[in-house]
Amino acid sequence: DAKTTQPTSMDCAEGRAANLPCNHSTISGNEYVYWYRQIHSQGPQYIIHGLKNNETNEMASLIITEDRKSSTLILPHATLRDTAVYYCIVRVDGTGGFKTIFGAGTRLFVKA
Amino acid sequence: GAGVSQTPSNKVTEKGKYVELRCDPISGHTALYWYRQSLGQGPEFLIYFQGTGAADDSGLPNDRFFAVRPEGSVSTLKIQRTERGDSAVYLCASSLRGGWEQYFGPGTRLTVT
Repeated sequence: DAKTTQPTSMDCAEGRAANLPCNHSTISGNEYVYWYRQIHSQGPQYIIHGLKNNETNEMASLIITEDRKSSTLILPHATLRDTAVYYCIVRVDGTGGFKTIFGAGTRLFVKA
Repeated sequence: GAGVSQTPSNKVTEKGKYVELRCDPISGHTALYWYRQSLGQGPEFLIYFQGTGAADDSGLPNDRFFAVRPEGSVSTLKIQRTERGDSAVYLCASSLRGGWEQYFGPGTRLTVT
């Protein structure tokens, strides 16, 4: 699986958009970009995933560059509850399932 | 419905002892994953089951670690001759046929003294 690079930490003001970048310059054509987050003392929580098109759900938006070498997770109106570690992962997918490699993630602090 | 559950939530054991950690996945989820997480780090993949069989056990650190899923539902992670370095939070996740979204349990915090 391709390696990802994320900033160690970021701050965001409550109510503002949080933009979390991820570099995955060695991504392969069949690898998807996934985002999970982990709130303190809880298990990781799935946020969103995509292959090459931008995606949006009730939690966030995922913007993938045209060359697929980087992506940005956008939380449109960050709240204090969004303070967490955010993991960007790339992996192949299939009905058989494949192992998921987490990096160190980005620690997002949302401040009032 | 019920999410992924893990028992016990905390386990303290002495060095050299044997421990078993249990995971109850979401009903109907055929894929099950075990991870280990040390303080300040992301989860580290250990093993992945599709049904009853271990499809990928490449993350198990050594032969002291073993996991089973005999009926394709509940899974048990077994650690023999525990060492202080085994202390971590052990996370279990399940997904529908290994699909997009993995649902994680709350984890078992293992402390080896």
